[in-house]
This record gives sequence, structure tokens and C-alpha cells, in this order.
Amino acid sequence: QSALTQPPSVSGSPGQSVTISCTGTSSDVGSYDRVSWYQQPPGTAPKLMIYEVSLRPSGVPDRFSGSKSANTASLTISGLQAEDEADYYCSSYTSSSSWVFGGGTKLTVL
Amino acid sequence: QLHLQETGPGLVKPSETLSLTCTVSGGSFSSSDYYRGWIRQPPGEGLEWIGSISYGGSTYYNPSLKSRVTISVHTSRNEFSLRLTSVTAADTAVYYCARKTYGGAFDIWGQGTMVTVSS
Repeated sequence: QSALTQPPSVSGSPGQSVTISCTGTSSDVGSYDRVSWYQQPPGTAPKLMIYEVSLRPSGVPDRFSGSKSANTASLTISGLQAEDEADYYCSSYTSSSSWVFGGGTKLTVL
Repeated sequence: QLHLQETGPGLVKPSETLSLTCTVSGGSFSSSDYYRGWIRQPPGEGLEWIGSISYGGSTYYNPSLKSRVTISVHTSRNEFSLRLTSVTAADTAVYYCARKTYGGAFDIWGQGTMVTVSS
């Protein structure tokens, strides 16, 4: 199985909005609403930010939102803050009854 | 508050077997709503799903690792394990255990343990 495709890096200034894309295929992102997003600051374990495409776990700010269109899922962070600087990974269920992650996107807050 | 902790050797020789245990404390997730999973991250690289096991013991593995991986749950169900056979340098990574919801989200993670494959 191939990793989902994410841009290697994105950046934005405090207060701005950024969107990170996650492109898969009709065998994963396109067929299932089981897309999750994870935030990983350097040297720490990943933290769940979005699940089932657009749902936020308790405690995650509503500045984080998720969506999906066809084979591409997106994570949008609005009102960017310095603490949002981290690596972000998407994940999806696949038709092979397995799970696949994206390659990761480094978010830099300018 | 649920806490997961990975334990095991930090150094494994090539061709040998990597064995890790994940201990769950502060509660349990003995429910059909949750799976137990392993994910790894090579140094400087992205996350890779290794496999998952359901409450009932059904296992699901990454096709690229399937021939070498075994995930099992201990009788107490507060521990689960990962075995990866015939390791090479490419298996050097931080290994995480995690709780996975039925919907597929890894919602609770261990801190991770670094495993280096080297002679």
C-alpha cells in the first residue's frame, strides 16, 4: 500500500489560516469516512486532532477542522498560533482492511 | 486517565526478533469498541502502521510486514505485544503502541520506544 500524499511543508503567520491536503485513492480516502489527523511536535508522540474526517476529540480547539472531497482530505487550522508548529499526519482506512498514513507535513508558524 | 507504556530491548541484532510489550494502566479498554495497535516511525521519517488486534483477537497487519509480524494480547488484557522477526536496519524506528477506536482513530498513544537494529 502506498502512503497518502501530503505536501512536505506549509507555513503561515500568526492569525492566518492554513490548509494541509491529504490525497489518496478510491481504495482509501475516497471510499471511507475514516480519515484522521495527528499533530506531532518534535520529540513527542502523535496526538489525535481530527477523526472520521471532521470530528474533534474533546480538548482540541475548534480552530482545527477537517473535510473531505473525493480522494482528498484536508485539515484547516484557523487563527494560527505559535504552538501549532508541528508535523501533521493524516491516516485512512483502506479496502485491504488496513490503515495507511500520509508522509507528513511540517507546519511552520512564521 | 488511561496510560500506555512500551517496553523492550533498545538494541536488536540483524536477523533476530524484535519483541515489545505495551502495558495499559489507569484503566482498561476491554471493549469491542477498541482495538490495540502498533505504529512505528524511522528516524526523521513519517508514521507507518504496523498492525492492530481487536478485543476478540482478530489481527490486521500492514501487507508489507505481514509475513514477519505477530500482535497478541496477554491473558490479563492489560498488556499486548509485538513480535517482528528477521529484522534489518530498515526496522530501526521509534515504536508506538496505541488504542484505536472502532472508527479508526488512534486516540491514545504511548510515549514510544526507540529500537535500533545493529550488530
